[in-house]
Amino acid sequence: EPEVTQTPSHQVTQMGQEVILRCVPISNHLYFYWYRQILGQKVEFLVSFYNNEISEKSEIFDDQFSVERPDGSNFTLKIRSTKLEDSAMYFCATRQGAAQPQHFGDGTRLSIL
Amino acid sequence: SQQGEEDPQALSIQEGENATMNCSYKTSINNLQWYRQNSGRGLVHLILIRSNEREKHSGRLRVTLDTSKKSSSLLITASRAADTASYFCATDSGANSKLTFGKGITLSVRP
Repeated sequence: EPEVTQTPSHQVTQMGQEVILRCVPISNHLYFYWYRQILGQKVEFLVSFYNNEISEKSEIFDDQFSVERPDGSNFTLKIRSTKLEDSAMYFCATRQGAAQPQHFGDGTRLSIL
Repeated sequence: SQQGEEDPQALSIQEGENATMNCSYKTSINNLQWYRQNSGRGLVHLILIRSNEREKHSGRLRVTLDTSKKSSSLLITASRAADTASYFCATDSGANSKLTFGKGITLSVRP
């Protein structure tokens, strides 16, 4: 069964550094999402992306965050200047079409030191 | 309660028993989805129920939806030790289908 693939599985970064998290969506999926889950807390929506543009973003997704699909396959989340509170699991999810379930990757564990 | 709030928070049962988990939400929805998460892993989609559906089955899973009470339940029949995981309900409410998750239920199935 096709899967959403995320790399790296674990990223350790110094505070203030930039990180890029990568996701390879399922090939025929058109809608892309990033979520995060701080340890022990609920999964939170960050941003949705469709037709090469952001369709919705949450309050968490401030100017330090950006997303792009540079080569038509990878879907990336960039955090420009990381903060300690950015430490979390980041999940990519993709969806084929309307009223279809979202399929999640295994996540990237981001640890900010 | 917040959107997608599950109860109980933790459930421990014996293998072979049924497990029932509940979810309540506050706003109108397009659909409601249940996910499973094994420790340290991603979210695995279990079942989606649309707002105009009342009940849905998939293998040992049975989901109900009561839009008048803004609640859903997930029943796992004949549980197995491998069902041990966290279970989340997530509501799809908006045009962009972002999911709003509850805090999850930790299910432990004792062999």
